[in-house]
Amino acid sequence: GAVVSQHPSRVICKSGTSVKIECRSLDFQATTMFWYRQFPKKSLMLMATSNEGSKATYEQGVEKDKFLINHASLTLSTLTVTSAHPEDSSFYICSALVLSSYEQYFGPGTRLTVT
Amino acid sequence: DQQVKQNSPSLSVQEGRISILNCDYTNSMFDYFLWYKKYPAEGPTFLISISSIKDKNEDGRFTVFLNKSAKHLSLHIVPSQPGDSAVYFCAATKAGGTSYGKLTFGQGTILTVHP
Repeated sequence: GAVVSQHPSRVICKSGTSVKIECRSLDFQATTMFWYRQFPKKSLMLMATSNEGSKATYEQGVEKDKFLINHASLTLSTLTVTSAHPEDSSFYICSALVLSSYEQYFGPGTRLTVT
Repeated sequence: DQQVKQNSPSLSVQEGRISILNCDYTNSMFDYFLWYKKYPAEGPTFLISISSIKDKNEDGRFTVFLNKSAKHLSLHIVPSQPGDSAVYFCAATKAGGTSYGKLTFGQGTILTVHP
């Protein structure tokens, strides 16, 4: 199957700082990528849809000024958690949508811990 | 409002037997369904999918059945292997418009296959 990478896999930061997470589709182009968040023992919660060349669309309840998304190219989307707080600590997962398909391939996830 | 539900939090099966994971949905607009396998601290891995125009799709040991009238789908794994032990998520999406590619996940079912 298609490969999606995320970097970093794990990050610890202090409250008030910003953290950038990268999501790359390695062997295919993706005009659409998605960012999810998973709380412990919970399902994946869609945060936003990242569209190449246009603004991201956010799900209800997700602060767009806090979670900045940039889809700079057909293979790269970034999520920046700004002014991080301990409650932002979570497992963040991205996915990339195969063109003209419903199939999504997920990255390995990024564990964010805010101290 | 949980539009995709996996009512069994866990399932335990003997190696070699069949594993049946169930999923129900409430939104009749969903027309494409996917199953993902997930290990802790990793992103979901795509397993198999089915379009609403079909009632069955098979790929190796994995078969997905869709009953549109009952808004129910199931994933059959046969024969089950210890390496199949993981959390299984079903997901649903609807074609076109602003929802294209957006997945709604169930809560997940923990499958344990005993040797």
